[in-house]
Amino acid sequence: EAQVTQNPRYLITVTGKKLTVTCSQNMNHEYMSWYRQDPGLGLRQIYYSMNVEVTDKGDVPEGYKVSRKEKRNFPLILESPSPNQTSLYFCASTARYGYTNSPLHFGNGTRLTVT
Amino acid sequence: DQQVKQNSPSLSVQEGRISILNCDYTNSMFDYFLWYKKYPAEGPTFLISISSIKDKNEDGRFTVFLNKSAKHLSLHIVPSQPGDSAVYFCAASAGEASGGGADGLTFGKGTHLIIQP
Repeated sequence: EAQVTQNPRYLITVTGKKLTVTCSQNMNHEYMSWYRQDPGLGLRQIYYSMNVEVTDKGDVPEGYKVSRKEKRNFPLILESPSPNQTSLYFCASTARYGYTNSPLHFGNGTRLTVT
Repeated sequence: DQQVKQNSPSLSVQEGRISILNCDYTNSMFDYFLWYKKYPAEGPTFLISISSIKDKNEDGRFTVFLNKSAKHLSLHIVPSQPGDSAVYFCAASAGEASGGGADGLTFGKGTHLIIQP
């Protein structure tokens, strides 16, 4: 089954403790992206990757890192989490970004709470 | 500055009637628009899209209309069914105009559609 898999689904951590949220897709997609969803703010892009070893900042990259060493994986790294990073995070991928027949496929989300 | 606006946080519609969800945008470079549907505890799923070269796209019960001069698009669901109750996100990009641009999709804040039995 074609899917984007995020882990963990739920995570509670403390300020300053490094964490990684994994994302993997099995569709051989070139483009991958991370979004966060907050009440009243909708979905905002954190980082994206056009292909292996190519990453760039989205709208809200502060406090996050990413890496794209393999095509299928795009982990999101919080080196020193803070309470304002408490949010619902979504990973997404698409075959070729920017084409009408290639919409984003989203994972089921990771709900992160930083205390 | 919010480039994609969904001004109705929620909308309640009777089952069987038409649901109309609205979206306005400010960036004239946007040339590709999509609607995503999101159930609780799941990621958004793609519903329907429209390129700026069209003014209407239809897929079963779902039709998206685009009015470029007004920078407005709408999603019509006819007839509305209980399973349509979800949050709907409007999204836009300048992807096609920039040949596959890397700026990402810009999402609205979403409209929670509630279908009443």
